[in-house]
Amino acid sequence: KAGVTQTPRYLIKTRGQQVTLSCSPISGHRSVSWYQQTPGQGLQFLFEYFSETQRNKGNFPGRFSGRQFSNSRSEMNVSTLELGDSALYLCASSLGSGGQGEQFFGPGTRLTVL
Amino acid sequence: GENVEQHPSTLSVQEGDSAVIKCTYSDSASNYFPWYKQELGKGPQLIIDIRSNVGEKKDQRIAVTLNKTAKHFSLHITETQPEDSAVYFCAASRSGGGADGLTFGKGTHLIIQP
Repeated sequence: KAGVTQTPRYLIKTRGQQVTLSCSPISGHRSVSWYQQTPGQGLQFLFEYFSETQRNKGNFPGRFSGRQFSNSRSEMNVSTLELGDSALYLCASSLGSGGQGEQFFGPGTRLTVL
Repeated sequence: GENVEQHPSTLSVQEGDSAVIKCTYSDSASNYFPWYKQELGKGPQLIIDIRSNVGEKKDQRIAVTLNKTAKHFSLHITETQPEDSAVYFCAASRSGGGADGLTFGKGTHLIIQP
């Protein structure tokens, strides 16, 4: 079974631009969560989508948004990029939400904001 | 919200020796505690997890213990091998890793000395 895939793997943007990251979950998994990983703050929860609905959101500004499609693929968008948004963005998929399965992570998208 | 503290931040052990990483959590409602291993350039990989109705779980050379009263849990790796070198993260969640996301510790860089 193929794992979680994320595209692109690397991205360079400049301040003020916007970016869209994509995540394809493991086949059959309906939940996709997004995390930001930085050396200073570690791994932080952004939001989780289940059946095309955002179930929960972490403590991030409204510039960070996402969506999920009917095939469970998810996209994350960051608008008006800031230097501090440089990070590894990870998505994780699980079979269900609310305690119904472990989370499996993709390789991440490395975003650099110049 | 939940807060997870992880110690030590760096751990160096001789090949063949045991390694222990400890985490504490703050939210008594947390009931799911996974451990992830992250190698350079990759996303975190789930290596073992434990739920709050269990005190200990083992999988070959890896074991996790949970003390709900003290709100701490530990990862034990026996007979360490060079391929165990990586960054290890503990995490906690109320809902089994689903709707409210995982709260991660800051990570432990495990170095296996030959």
